[in-house]
Amino acid sequence: AQRVTQPEKLLSVFKGAPVELKCNYSYSGSPELFWYVQYSRQRLQLLLRHISRESIKGFTADLNKGETSFHLKKPFAQEEDSAMYYCALSPLSDYKLSFGAGTTVTVRA
Amino acid sequence: DAGVTQSPTHLIKTRGQHVTLRCSPISGHKSVSWYQQVLGQGPQFIFQYYEKEERGRGNFPDRFSARQFPNYSSELNVNALLLGDSALYLCASRGGLAGANEQFFGPGTRLTVL
Repeated sequence: AQRVTQPEKLLSVFKGAPVELKCNYSYSGSPELFWYVQYSRQRLQLLLRHISRESIKGFTADLNKGETSFHLKKPFAQEEDSAMYYCALSPLSDYKLSFGAGTTVTVRA
Repeated sequence: DAGVTQSPTHLIKTRGQHVTLRCSPISGHKSVSWYQQVLGQGPQFIFQYYEKEERGRGNFPDRFSARQFPNYSSELNVNALLLGDSALYLCASRGGLAGANEQFFGPGTRLTVL
């Protein structure tokens, strides 16, 4: 079975402060990990995926297979980063995404 | 391209009724997936269709069914509605079956069962 856990439902940070969203997963094989974001009144969209190993909007995420984690980080939060963030997992070469419950991030001025 | 489109936007039904939700994928995309998102939770996988064939099913009762048409649009049907079926139903399309192809989500249909 595949499972994604996001322990924080709400996260509030000041503008310019670092932000880290935690994601832990359980899966017996080799998964592909994603971060999706949903801004206010917008549809769910892909932020980044571990296979790409790229930084999007200043966010990075490293897959730690030993700790089965895929935490999302940004060194300096911006007000436009306020959104709902979902961590998701799918088996490699598979189609089914399993999502965590999401973390609402609020960046205060 | 307007992206993935879904209709209707909102829907109110009563217990025991039937509902049909519709999804049009991005032009050229042959794969459509359906997800249910209950308030306060992440989306949960219901079905995937590729080239008009069911390729996967999540842990949902047989009251849930879907199909994909020759133009790759899709319908999700739910029979004998329960209060617990109240949720946002998301449709997502991707170009290929899996792998490197990104999944694009629609705006969702908000279903309320009274």
